[in-house]
Parts: sequence; structure tokens; C-alpha cells
Amino acid sequence: DSGVTQTPKHLITATGQRVTLRCSPRSGDLSVYWYQQSLDQGLQFLIQYYNGEERAKGNILERFSAQQFPDLHSELNLSSLELGDSALYFCASTSSGANVLTFGAGSRLTVL
Amino acid sequence: GQQVMQIPQYQHVQEGEDFTTYCNSSTTLSNIQWYKQRPGGHPVFLIQLVKSGEVKKQKRLTFQFGEAKKNSSLHITATQTTDVGTYFCAGRGSNYQLIWGAGTKLIIKP
Repeated sequence: DSGVTQTPKHLITATGQRVTLRCSPRSGDLSVYWYQQSLDQGLQFLIQYYNGEERAKGNILERFSAQQFPDLHSELNLSSLELGDSALYFCASTSSGANVLTFGAGSRLTVL
Repeated sequence: GQQVMQIPQYQHVQEGEDFTTYCNSSTTLSNIQWYKQRPGGHPVFLIQLVKSGEVKKQKRLTFQFGEAKKNSSLHITATQTTDVGTYFCAGRGSNYQLIWGAGTKLIIKP
């Protein structure tokens, strides 16, 4: 157990629908990152939050949005889902002074 | 923009053979990290290299950071089945963001 909790572990939904993925960072970590990993592909950086504020943005689609709440958990919202959005979505957290990412187990999204 | 190229994409080896993956950045990096992702798992941090020319070892794994801080390699001696997975490098660029390589998948031939 890495200390980063992601829910749900698996999610199956239909095209056009909207889903929310949730991440609780390690205790004490202020920064949360979201990554997308399509089948057998690399990690695509989506977005980073630090202590509730957006810190950096990667290749995140306009249909996707995220936020980090005062208790530091984060949610990634995916809307108007397409088949190509099927992927593993990882959340990772770091502490304020650290470089190293600690990943959660991921949420596997399947869009049918 | 800044990129980190990682090669090869796949490497098939017999158990007991060596394995190497290479990362090359288009720009100088402040540091580079290596992560391992087991099949069906999540990336797990292995090591961070910071200094020019740095070499670090973890048992059968040897990590190097180039003199110009633009390239890095991971070498595994005498691979074992437990080494199977995808190895990613991630370089810290000038804007302090992590730039990820595409990963090298280590496959042990049956």
C-alpha cells in the first residue's frame, strides 16, 4: 500500500457519459498529479495541484477537469466520454519539498 | 518543447542476460528519476540521480547520469523473472516539471 488511495479501481461506462475519479494523497502530501496511461503506453501528464491550486497543466482535454479540495483529496472529472478515453488513470502525490512521486494503484476506465 | 526519448521500447532477454535502457533529453536536466511498473501495477520510484556523471547501484541495477546531464541509463545484470516490467525515466526540466520517457518493457523469453 503506497498510501495514495484511488477510487474506484474499475469503472465501465458508455460513450457520452461522465465519470469522477477520486484520489486521496499520502498523509502530509500537498501536491497531487493526474496521469493517463492507455494500454501498453507511457504516462501522459494531465494536471498537477498544489495545496488546492492548479500548478501545472499537461495534455488535458477540455472535456476533462480536476480540482483539489481543502482536505487535499482530488477529483478528476471526465465528461462526454469517448472510446479512446479508456485507460488507466493514475494519481500521484508528493510532499512539499520532495521530488519523488508516490503513485496510487490507479483507476481503470473502460468506455463501451 | 522539452522531450525525453527512451529506447528501446521493448527488450526481450533470456533469464540471466543483461538489460539496458537509455534516456536522452533535448535539454539539460536538473535531475532524473527512474521508476518501475510491474505488469498490472503502478509506477514505483527506484532512484534519483542529481549530479553530473553520477553512478548509483542497487544490487544488480546500475544507474548512470551523463556528464552533460542530458542522458541516463539503467543497466540490469543477470536478469531475473522478478525484473519483468516497464522501466520509465523521468527528467526534471527547466520549468521544474517532470518529463517522462515512453518506457522500456523488459520481457523475459520463456
